Amino acid sequence: AQSVSQHNHHVILSEAASLELGCNYSYGGTVNLFWYVQYPGQHLQLLLKYFSGDPLVKGIKGFEAEFIKSKFSFNLRKPSVQWSDTAEYFCVVSPPRSGGYQKVTFGTGTKLQVIP
Amino acid sequence: KAGVTQTPRYLIKTRGQQVTLSCSPISGHRSVSWYQQTPGQGLQFLFEYFSETQRNKGNFPGRFSGRQFSNSRSEMNVSTLELGDSALYLCASSWTVFDQETQYFGPGTRLLVL
Repeated sequence: AQSVSQHNHHVILSEAASLELGCNYSYGGTVNLFWYVQYPGQHLQLLLKYFSGDPLVKGIKGFEAEFIKSKFSFNLRKPSVQWSDTAEYFCVVSPPRSGGYQKVTFGTGTKLQVIP
Repeated sequence: KAGVTQTPRYLIKTRGQQVTLSCSPISGHRSVSWYQQTPGQGLQFLFEYFSETQRNKGNFPGRFSGRQFSNSRSEMNVSTLELGDSALYLCASSWTVFDQETQYFGPGTRLLVL
């Protein structure tokens, strides 16, 4: 069965610290990968996405993620976090649609708290 | 383009009642998916509609239903509400380019069942 694991449920960092949020998935075939962010009181926003090609993808607000196929991982990184990055981050996995069917699986989320 | 809109934003109901939530996708998006978000279960997929037809369905009881109209707007209905239905209900519309599909989410409807 398809699953997504985000190991860190709650991360606390000081401003300017580097960030890496882990995401591992379980699925044997081709996958599309996404990171979404949910700022306090706001809706889910797309940070970045990977479909194919260069495994290092860059997103908005200085975020990037690296797809490592051999490790079934899609970790999110940012070199220097800001207080405004305080939010909950979700890793999402979905195989390409097949016959109209598609299963989208969300990770449990990682709450990031950045201390000024 | 305007984003995904959901109405109402907040709703309070009592057990046994039914509720209808509405979602308007981004213009041009034909697929609408619904999710339930709770602190304990996280984000769980309810169902997806495409061209007025339910294309995918999650593992929720039949009390949860939906429909899509010809203008791609979608409604979700929950009948015989239970306390456990209290949650944030999210709608997402999808844009596909060469089989690369991306979901865009609305702000959600927060439902409280008393």
